[in-house]
Amino acid sequence: LAKTTQPISMDSYEGQEVNITCSHNNIATNDYITWYQQFPSQGPRFIIQGYKTKVTNEVASLFIPADRKSSTLSLPRVSLSDTAVYYCLVGDGAAGNKLTFGGGTRVLVKP
Amino acid sequence: DAGVTQSPTHLIKTRGQHVTLRCSPISGHKSVSWYQQVLGQGPQFIFQYYEKEERGRGNFPDRFSARQFPNYSSELNVNALLLGDSALYLCASSFYDSDAYTFGSGTRLTVV
Repeated sequence: LAKTTQPISMDSYEGQEVNITCSHNNIATNDYITWYQQFPSQGPRFIIQGYKTKVTNEVASLFIPADRKSSTLSLPRVSLSDTAVYYCLVGDGAAGNKLTFGGGTRVLVKP
Repeated sequence: DAGVTQSPTHLIKTRGQHVTLRCSPISGHKSVSWYQQVLGQGPQFIFQYYEKEERGRGNFPDRFSARQFPNYSSELNVNALLLGDSALYLCASSFYDSDAYTFGSGTRLTVV
């Protein structure tokens, strides 16, 4: 399973864009990149998933370069409620989808 | 639509005891996975079941076991509890085993 590396923490201010980059140098051909958000004492919540190029939904964008060795989660115009831990995961669905969570990035949004 | 439901939400057990945690997936979801999250760390994969068959097992001792029932609900059993088993136990479900998960709010287990 591919290992991921992401910053431990990031600070931002309300209304700013937050970009979190995740490194996954040994990503396999079948692997998808998935991001989850977790608030204290809650289960992680799916944000976005992608395989290559760019994926956008109503809450975030995911940018994946051609070599797929990294990915960047972009949160536009964050609010205080976006303060959470964000996890980058890489996994192969055919392998039972036993996703490996790393330590995550703790994002603190300040007023 | 009900999300992934887990029971109980909290419980306290004594070292050496046994515990059973329960999970009901989202209606129609056939895959259930279990994760252990120790305070301050990311969730660690324990088991995945799909269509009642074990599809994956994480690096956990044999004291941990699980099963999935015909209605796709699942149980996680932990025997001979240790203090280090204190954690938030998360259940997640998906329709296929390759889909993104929907997590429940977890069961907070405290071993004293």
